[in-house]
Amino acid sequence: GAGVSQSPSNKVTEKGKDVELRCDPISGHTALYWYRQSLGQGLEFLIYFQGNSAPDKSGLPSDRFSAERTGGSVSTLTIQRTQQEDSAVYLCASSFTGTTTDTQYFGPGTRLTVL
Amino acid sequence: GNSVTQMEGPVTLSEEAFLTINCTYTATGYPSLFWYVQYPGEGLQLLLKATKADDKGSNKGFEATYRKETTSFHLEKGSVQVSDSAVYFCALTLQGRGGSYIPTFGRGTSLIVHP
Repeated sequence: GAGVSQSPSNKVTEKGKDVELRCDPISGHTALYWYRQSLGQGLEFLIYFQGNSAPDKSGLPSDRFSAERTGGSVSTLTIQRTQQEDSAVYLCASSFTGTTTDTQYFGPGTRLTVL
Repeated sequence: GNSVTQMEGPVTLSEEAFLTINCTYTATGYPSLFWYVQYPGEGLQLLLKATKADDKGSNKGFEATYRKETTSFHLEKGSVQVSDSAVYFCALTLQGRGGSYIPTFGRGTSLIVHP
């Protein structure tokens, strides 16, 4: 079946512009995660959605970052007034239940470059 | 908070050599432990996992045993192949105080296998 998809695959923007990154999780997966992967760094957790519960936003680095998940499916990560330090690969993952033992399925990522 | 520490890479081996990638963790509770692999140009995918102490996860000739007494989950393979060249991420998942399940990833270890 279809895996997790993300769009765009690459995004180049100018400092100060807003960007939107999209994630389509695997159908039926209730949990969705966003991560940031910088060169030489691990995966930095950003935000977690689980069903209809309020999202866990504890990983968002500043109020310029926000995310929403519509209808329990597609999610959009928005970065306002982008800065050069926002340049990274943004990964989305989904899992069936989002519990401790559950496997995450990752998308290919969006590479964001802020000039 | 929770943390995962992996040995720094790159790890460079010849084909058929024995592989160990060390992973230790700090967690308040009993996490599930995972190894994810990222092949060149691809997204992260699950390699193996273990959900309780003394469990052994295995896949594609790789093994890791959940050692609660040493808080470790070292990845091993008896005979590596060139096709194993990738970045390997150790991770844990634990339910947080707010009830959400936030994974914590290590920084990743790059493995390079030469013919």
